[in-house]
Amino acid sequence: DGGITQSPKYLFRKEGQNVTLSCEQNLNHDAMYWYRQDPGQGLRLIYYSQIVNDFQKGDIAEGYSVSREKKESFPLTVTSAQKNPTAFYLCASSMAGALSGANVLTFGAGSRLTVL
Amino acid sequence: AQSVAQPEDQVNVAEGNPLTVKCTYSVSGNPYLFWYVQYPNRGLQFLLKYITGDNLVKGSYGFEAEFNKSQTSFHLKKPSALVSDSALYFCAVRRANTDKLIFGTGTRLQVFP
Repeated sequence: DGGITQSPKYLFRKEGQNVTLSCEQNLNHDAMYWYRQDPGQGLRLIYYSQIVNDFQKGDIAEGYSVSREKKESFPLTVTSAQKNPTAFYLCASSMAGALSGANVLTFGAGSRLTVL
Repeated sequence: AQSVAQPEDQVNVAEGNPLTVKCTYSVSGNPYLFWYVQYPNRGLQFLLKYITGDNLVKGSYGFEAEFNKSQTSFHLKKPSALVSDSALYFCAVRRANTDKLIFGTGTRLQVFP
C-alpha cells in the first residue's frame, strides 16, 4: 500500500537533547511537509520541500531543521533550541507542479514528542 | 494575509440529524479550499476540496460543502450524522499558485446516539 510512514509513534526526550523524527513516503510525491499540532491551535507549518535538496522555512521553523537528500525521505530534527517541543508532529506529502495548489495532502499517522 | 477561521470549538449533534461545521476564510485572489478529518492520534484524511466550478462540492463519507464567495465561507455539511462521524475537522485554504496550506484551529464534532 502506498502511504507515509512516520516513526517513532511516541518519543520522550530530556531537555537539551536533539531528536530526529523520521518520515518516509512511497507515493512518488515531489513535495513534503512537516506540521506541528497543538491543542486549540490547529496545524502550523514548520518546513516544506518541493524538490530533493531544497526546502523552505514555514511559519514556525525556529528550533527545527530538516534535510531532503532523497525524494522518499524528509526527516525533522527537533533541536535543543526549540523552547516548547512537546507536541504532535505530522508529516505530509503531495504532488507538486503548476497546479500544486489544488493538490491534496496525504498525511502520516504522526509522532508524539514529549519533553520530560 | 491568508487566514481561515473555524468559529466553533465543538459541535454537538444527535445521530440522524443534519450537521454543519462552519469555516470562513480570508485570502486575496482565488482560493483553493479543503476539508480534512482527524480521528484520535491519527493523521488527517482528505474529505473534499473546492477549486472552481460548482459551488456545492461532494466528498467522502456523504459529506458536502458549499462555497459562498460573497460570505467567504466554506461550511461542511451532512444531511444525517452518524456516531462514527465524531472526530476533529479542519478547514484549510491555499491561495491559487502558492505552496502553503493554512489550516483552521479545528472543530470537534460529537455525534450522540
